[in-house]
Amino acid sequence: EAQVTQNPRYLITVTGKKLTVTCSQNMNHEYMSWYRQDPGLGLRQIYYSMNVEVTDKGDVPEGYKVSRKEKRNFPLILESPSPNQTSLYFCASSPRRVRSEQYFGPGTRLTVT
Amino acid sequence: ILNVEQSPQSLHVQEGDSTNFTCSFPSSNFYALHWYRWETAKSPEALFVMTLNGDEKKKGRISATLNTKEGYSYLYIKGSQPEDSATYLCASDNNAGNMLTFGGGTRLMVKP
Repeated sequence: EAQVTQNPRYLITVTGKKLTVTCSQNMNHEYMSWYRQDPGLGLRQIYYSMNVEVTDKGDVPEGYKVSRKEKRNFPLILESPSPNQTSLYFCASSPRRVRSEQYFGPGTRLTVT
Repeated sequence: ILNVEQSPQSLHVQEGDSTNFTCSFPSSNFYALHWYRWETAKSPEALFVMTLNGDEKKKGRISATLNTKEGYSYLYIKGSQPEDSATYLCASDNNAGNMLTFGGGTRLMVKP
């Protein structure tokens, strides 16, 4: 089944404890992206990747890192999480960079205390 | 940061009513306008990707139009059903596919 998977789906952690949220797609998509969703603010793009080893900042990259060493994986790294990173996170992928619909993962609900 | 706005923020309709909502986006450097449907506890799913001025797309009872010169798109739902209850998101690509900027969404609730 063609899909985007994320793990974990739910995570409660403490301030400063490094964490990684994994994202994997099995559709051979070039483009991958991370979003966060906060009430009243809509989906905001954190980072995106146009292909392997090519990543760039979105609108809200502060406090996050990403890597794209393989085409299928695009992990989101929080080196030192803070409470303002409590949010619902979505990974998405699309076949092409331009004019192509995005396929979203199931979401990861992160709480930082 | 681009400004993509959707109205209304929320909408309650009766089953069988037809409804529409608006997405406004910057018309400069326009590449594409996306519509997504997002049900509670699920992930957003793509409805349409629209690129040409005057474009009209249809999927079942849902259709969308696009005006790139004035920077707006309408989403129409004909004969709303309870299963249409969801948040409808639009997103504008004004950066050659590098980034999508999402609007805040319109939350539709259809009462049986």
